[in-house]
Amino acid sequence: IAGITQAPTSQILAAGRRMTLRCTQDMRHNAMYWYRQDLGLGLRLIHYSNTAGTTGKGEVPDGYSVSRANTDDFPLTLASAVPSQTSVYFCASSDSDTGGTEAFFGQGTRLTVV
Amino acid sequence: GQSLEQPSEVTAVEGAIVQINCTYQTSGFYGLSWYQQHDGGAPTFLSYNALDGLEETGRFSSFLSRSDSYGYLLLQELQMKDSASYFCAVRYSGSARQLTFGSGTQLTVLP
Repeated sequence: IAGITQAPTSQILAAGRRMTLRCTQDMRHNAMYWYRQDLGLGLRLIHYSNTAGTTGKGEVPDGYSVSRANTDDFPLTLASAVPSQTSVYFCASSDSDTGGTEAFFGQGTRLTVV
Repeated sequence: GQSLEQPSEVTAVEGAIVQINCTYQTSGFYGLSWYQQHDGGAPTFLSYNALDGLEETGRFSSFLSRSDSYGYLLLQELQMKDSASYFCAVRYSGSARQLTFGSGTQLTVLP
C-alpha cells in the first residue's frame, strides 16, 4: 500500500541523547516535510525538502537537522535532545508537479524527552 | 512567519451544518487547504481552493475569498464521526512549497 511510513511510532528519550526519526515514502513525491504538533499550536514546520539533495529550514528548525540523499527517505535528527522537543512529529510529502496542493502525512512519532 | 486564524472550538449536533472560518495573511498567498485530524491520527486532506468560490465534495464544501483573505469549511449533515480537529493551511508562493497550518478547530458533534 503506497504511503508514508514513520519509525518509531513512539519513543522515550533521555535528554542529551541523539535520535533519528525515520520517514520513507513510496509515492515518488519530490517534496517532503517534517512538522511537530503540540497542543494548541497546530502543526509547525521544522524542515522541508523540495527535491532530493536539497533541504530548507521551516518555522522551528533549531535543534533539528535533516538530509535528503534520495527521493524516498527524509530522516530527522535531534543531535542532543531537550525536554522542549517532546512532541508528536509528522512527516509529510507532496507531489510538486501538481503544485503540492495535497500533502500526505505519516502516522506520526510520539517523542518524549525526559 | 505567516499566521492563520481559526476558532479553537466548535460544537454542533448531528444533522446540523457548521462553518469553520479561517483568515490568513495576504502576502504571497497561493492557495488554501483544509485537513481533518482525528485524535491520535494523521492529518488527512479534505479540499483545496486557489480561486474564489465554493468547492463541493460530498457533505464538505470549502470557500475562498481572496479579496477578503478569508475562507471557510462547511460541513453539512453532521455525523458523529465528523468529530475531529480541522486545520486550514496556506501555501505561499516562492521557492518552498511548504504549507503553513492554523492552530486547528476542535469540532465536537453531539447526538
